[in-house]
Order: sequence, then structure tokens, then C-alpha cells
Amino acid sequence: GQQVMQIPQYQHVQEGEDFTTYCNSSTTLSNIQWYKQRPGGHPVFLIQLVKSGEVKKQKRLTFQFGEAKKNSSLHITATQTTDVGTYFCAENSGGSNYKLTFGKGTLLTVNP
Amino acid sequence: GAGVSQTPSNKVTEKGKYVELRCDPISGHTALYWYRQSLGQGPEFLIYFQGTGAADDSGLPNDRFFAVRPEGSVSTLKIQRTERGDSAVYLCASSLQLGANNEQFFGPGTRLTVL
Repeated sequence: GQQVMQIPQYQHVQEGEDFTTYCNSSTTLSNIQWYKQRPGGHPVFLIQLVKSGEVKKQKRLTFQFGEAKKNSSLHITATQTTDVGTYFCAENSGGSNYKLTFGKGTLLTVNP
Repeated sequence: GAGVSQTPSNKVTEKGKYVELRCDPISGHTALYWYRQSLGQGPEFLIYFQGTGAADDSGLPNDRFFAVRPEGSVSTLKIQRTERGDSAVYLCASSLQLGANNEQFFGPGTRLTVL
């Protein structure tokens, strides 16, 4: 089935540094969603990208969907300790199949 | 309620026992999903419901796993003859309607430990 690969698996940064996580697929994705899971918490929806080349911003977070709809990225500018958590991309098969297939996630830790 | 609720929050059982995990979705959400998350992994799809019917149960690992949603609201995930490999966090999510562009709201999960 459809799989999404996420890199890096872990990222440790100093507070104030930038952070980027990447999500890649070997096949074209109908759309991609991003979730954040705090330690001990549950996934919380951040954004959905649908269009080729789409870029969306939420304050310090910038989300991109590749032109070929095979990759996506999440970039955080000037990280804060509140950004700590695991960031997952998830692809939605679309059509009549709406289940989410999650990547393994990128665990971000921020040193204050 | 304010969000998706799941009970119990923790369940410890012995190998071979039967367990039931409950999910109460956000009121008015017609689509309900079950996922399983192991340590260091992303959530893994198990099953989803649109209303009372299971629209896709392709993620259930074997016939020991079964889920119901008899009145189109609360759902119960049932696991028979539990095995140690079933230990994981079981997450439930709901969305307003079944559709590719619908945000899924996750519950806090049930941590299942099979001894």
C-alpha cells in the first residue's frame, strides 16, 4: 500500500534555531496532512495540503506540498520549547478510501 | 462533549484474555476511526465507520479483532485471546463526515498492556 517516509527520525535543536522535517512518497499523493503529538499526548491536526506546489503558513510554521505531489515539508522558524513533540505526515488515499497512512514521524527536542 | 473520549485510559490484562476498548466521538461526527500506535511509530489504521457500518476494516490484523458502532455514535473495539504483541496505544478519532478533506480529531487513547 501507499507509504510515506519521513526524515529525519530525530532532531535536536537549540531554542531559536530552525527545524525542517520532510515527507516523501514514491507515488503521487492525493493530499497530505500534518499532525503534532506532544510527549504522552495524542496526534493533533495541524494542516492539510491538497494542491500541487501549495504553501501554507501558520505563524512560525510553513508547510509545502511538492509540485509532483510526492513530497511535503514542515519548516519551523525560530523554534521554541513549546514546539517539542513528534511531527507526523499522513497521506489520505482519497477516492473511496479515507484512511490515513502515517509516516513514522520526526521527534523534535528543543534545548532552552 | 468537548472532544473524543476513550475509556479506559489504561488496561492491563493477561495473555489470552478478552478486552473491550470504548470510544465516544465528538457529537455529530459521523465518521469514526480506530488506529493502533506502538512506541516510536506513527498511528496504524485499523478500521473506520461511516454511521453504523464499517466502511473499511482492512487494517484489522486478524480475526481476533472486531469493532462495532451499533447506534452510529459510541464504538467498541474488541480483542479476543489477547497476545503480548497486541500491547500498544489504541487511538480513536472522529471527523464531521467521511471525506478526504476532513480533519480527524483524536482521543487520548487507551494504553493496552498484555502480560
